Amino acid sequence: NAGVTQTPKFQVLKTGQSMTLQCAQDMNHNSMYWYRQDPGMGLRLIYYSASEGTTDKGEVPNGYNVSRLNKREFSLRLESAAPSQTSVYFCASSGGTPTQYFGPGTRLTVL
Amino acid sequence: GDSVTQMEGPVTLSEEAFLTINCTYTATGYPSLFWYVQYPGEGLQLLLKATKADDKGSNKGFEATYRKETTSFHLEKGSVQVSDSAVYFCALSDRPGGYQKVTFGTGTKLQVIP
Repeated sequence: NAGVTQTPKFQVLKTGQSMTLQCAQDMNHNSMYWYRQDPGMGLRLIYYSASEGTTDKGEVPNGYNVSRLNKREFSLRLESAAPSQTSVYFCASSGGTPTQYFGPGTRLTVL
Repeated sequence: GDSVTQMEGPVTLSEEAFLTINCTYTATGYPSLFWYVQYPGEGLQLLLKATKADDKGSNKGFEATYRKETTSFHLEKGSVQVSDSAVYFCALSDRPGGYQKVTFGTGTKLQVIP
């Protein structure tokens, strides 16, 4: 099993550009999440999808949109990137227990 | 709301030293408690967990006991190795099933020197 995969691993954007971060899981989990990790702030939840067909805002949703494409895939879109969105982004999934399984992360720099 | 407070790092120890990383929490119900570990350049992975009071989670020589009376879940290891160098996150989840909202602490960086 690959677990949770994310693409790309690294990305550099200019202010105002858009991009989509991709996430997929092969564990048949219902719930998927997007976090950002910033120094000294731990992980903050951006959006989550409790089950296929539903998405909800987390703690820091402004500037982001998400799509739960199917049970396996959950993408995060930045429509107009800003330097404040420079961060490491993690996708995670869970399957009815409290344990979350994380992808390897995407390191995003916005110039 | 729920919150997790863990000791600030970085923590620097010599190999074979004893490790304690403190973690306390605030929650309204009876949460499950976790320690996650993040090795350099990787995502978080579950290290250990405890789901009810007085439970002890253990894995890879690490231990933590769920103390409801002190709302704590301190991480300990008797003899650390260089390979334990990582960032450790304490976390809690207050829902038993379905969507699992997890609240993370800010992380404690551990550096073990030979």
